[in-house]
Amino acid sequence: GENVEQHPSTLSVQEGDSAVIKCTYSDSASNYFPWYKQELGKRPQLIIDIRSNVGEKKDQRIAVTLNKTAKHFSLHITETQPEDSAVYFCAAGDSGYALNFGKGTSLLVTP
Amino acid sequence: ETGVTQTPRHLVMGMTNKKSLKCEQHLGHNAMYWYKQSAKKPLELMFVYNFKEQTENNSVPSRFSPECPNSSHLFLHLHTLQPEDSALYLCASSQDKARGEKLFFGSGTQLSVL
Repeated sequence: GENVEQHPSTLSVQEGDSAVIKCTYSDSASNYFPWYKQELGKRPQLIIDIRSNVGEKKDQRIAVTLNKTAKHFSLHITETQPEDSAVYFCAAGDSGYALNFGKGTSLLVTP
Repeated sequence: ETGVTQTPRHLVMGMTNKKSLKCEQHLGHNAMYWYKQSAKKPLELMFVYNFKEQTENNSVPSRFSPECPNSSHLFLHLHTLQPEDSALYLCASSQDKARGEKLFFGSGTQLSVL
């Protein structure tokens, strides 16, 4: 089955800096790669996703890149703000199967 | 609160108890999921229902028993649990189980097994 590795497990940045979280996956058939954000005590929520026919997608300060050859994808957050502090989960999936999640990255943005 | 609602929010039970977790979605979705979230581990998929039919059971012990009476409601019946079953149990829904469908999560039930 699909195995999703996520790094780093914790990340601390200063407000205004950029944050990058990386994930690798094992199943070359995976073609959908979402990112979820979970604030402390709250539910995970989708923040951005990318499909295998696209190499990069951007939504304001958040971007995701995908390298299908290398089987890795990354989340980039620019101009970080304290409200970006949360746990971020990557996931990979394929048609007919539910998603496989990474272990999560705890991001702390310090003022 | 709209979307996906889970009750109870917190549950403490002994190993010999029987309890049930409830999930209800108001989004008109056809697929519902149970996930287990433990510290330092990935979200673990437990069960998937699509159009009320169970389509996946990820080798979950029989002490966890799901029930999906209709597309809007999902239950997780618990009996003779172990302390290692303590975790946050998240329900989610999506339009259906096809590829690339956005998951909408509930707030979860924080379960403690004593």
